[in-house]
Amino acid sequence: NAGVTQTPKFQVLKTGQSMTLQCAQDMNHEYMSWYRQDPGMGLRLIHYSVGAGITDQGEVPNGYNVSRSTTEDFPLRLLSAAPSQTSVYFCASRPRAASPLHFGNGTRLTVT
Amino acid sequence: GESVGLHLPTLSVQEGDNSIINCAYSNSASDYFIWYKQESGKGPQFIIDIRSNMDKRQGQRVTVLLNKTVKHLSLQIAATQPGDSAVYFCAEILTSGTASKLTFGTGTRLQVTL
Repeated sequence: NAGVTQTPKFQVLKTGQSMTLQCAQDMNHEYMSWYRQDPGMGLRLIHYSVGAGITDQGEVPNGYNVSRSTTEDFPLRLLSAAPSQTSVYFCASRPRAASPLHFGNGTRLTVT
Repeated sequence: GESVGLHLPTLSVQEGDNSIINCAYSNSASDYFIWYKQESGKGPQFIIDIRSNMDKRQGQRVTVLLNKTVKHLSLQIAATQPGDSAVYFCAEILTSGTASKLTFGTGTRLQVTL
């Protein structure tokens, strides 16, 4: 199993540009989520999904959209990038609520 | 370098010694706890977990202790090795059926000196 795969690894955007961060998992996990990680702060939840066709907002959803058309994929879309969205983004999956999250290796995004 | 590690408390340990990393959690109703290790440029990696009906759990070279009275979690690493150098953080989870609320700590950087 490849686990959780995130692409791209690095991305630089100009303010106002849009892009999609890709996330795929091959473990047949129902739960998937997106986090951002900033210096001095714990991981913060952006959006999550408890199964295909079901998504919900997390702690910091503004400026981001998600969709879950398949169990495997959970892309994160930045609608109009802002410098405040400069961060490291992690996608994670798990089979059920009370189980460890499996993380991808992250996408490092810089918005200028 | 990895910008995530800035401003974190740091624990320096000599190779071969035991390490103890602490975490205070916030919600007394949390019923599941996880420790993660994060190396520079990588995603968090699961180390060990513990449920609230336990106060101790052991893995290979690692032990997690849970003190619900004071809402405290610790990770003990025996015979610390250079490869253990990383940021360690805890997660507390409150589960309710199929729903859950996860809160992550900010982490502690472990530096292993030779």
